[in-house]
Amino acid sequence: GAVVSQHPSRVICKSGTSVKIECRSLDFQATTMFWYRQFPKKSLMLMATSNEGSKATYEQGVEKDKFLINHASLTLSTLTVTSAHPEDSSFYICSANTHLTSGRYLYFGPGTRLTVT
Amino acid sequence: SQQGEEDPQALSIQEGENATMNCSYKTSINNLQWYRQNSGRGLVHLILIRSNEREKHSGRLRVTLDTSKKSSSLLITASRAADTASYFCATEEAGGTSYGKLTFGQGTILTVHP
Repeated sequence: GAVVSQHPSRVICKSGTSVKIECRSLDFQATTMFWYRQFPKKSLMLMATSNEGSKATYEQGVEKDKFLINHASLTLSTLTVTSAHPEDSSFYICSANTHLTSGRYLYFGPGTRLTVT
Repeated sequence: SQQGEEDPQALSIQEGENATMNCSYKTSINNLQWYRQNSGRGLVHLILIRSNEREKHSGRLRVTLDTSKKSSSLLITASRAADTASYFCATEEAGGTSYGKLTFGQGTILTVHP
């Protein structure tokens, strides 16, 4: 079946540095990818919608200059947390959708746990 | 605003009992989905129910949808210790421009004691 991968699965970085998280669709082309963040014991909150070849659409309250999203190909979207601070520590999850002749499908990645020290 | 509120927030039961979780939402939807998440892990898709459906079954799972009340329920029958996890409902808003853009509920933490 279709798989969405994320890399890295865990990352620890120092405050002030930038971290890049990759989301890949492994055996299908994803026209749209979504980025969510999840605080401990909380729900998932949509951060942005990433469309291949165009600028991401950010949800209200999400700083686009802090969370840079690039969707350069139909199989890869990246989220870069710039100048990370401890409050950015969270679980980041991507999802990818595709439209096949059999229907539309949505797949979630396994998540990336970011810890900023 | 966050829609998809779930109750209870936490549910503790014994193995073999049934577990019922409820979800409410605020906007018109295309579909409502239920996901499971083990602690610190990714999401597992359980079931999707479309807005024109009222009930759906999958194995030990039964989902209902009442669009007039904007609510859904997830029933897990004959629960097992392995069912221990967080359960989230998620809605895809009707008329949305992005298929797959989901709004998640707050989740129910289910603990099944052996």
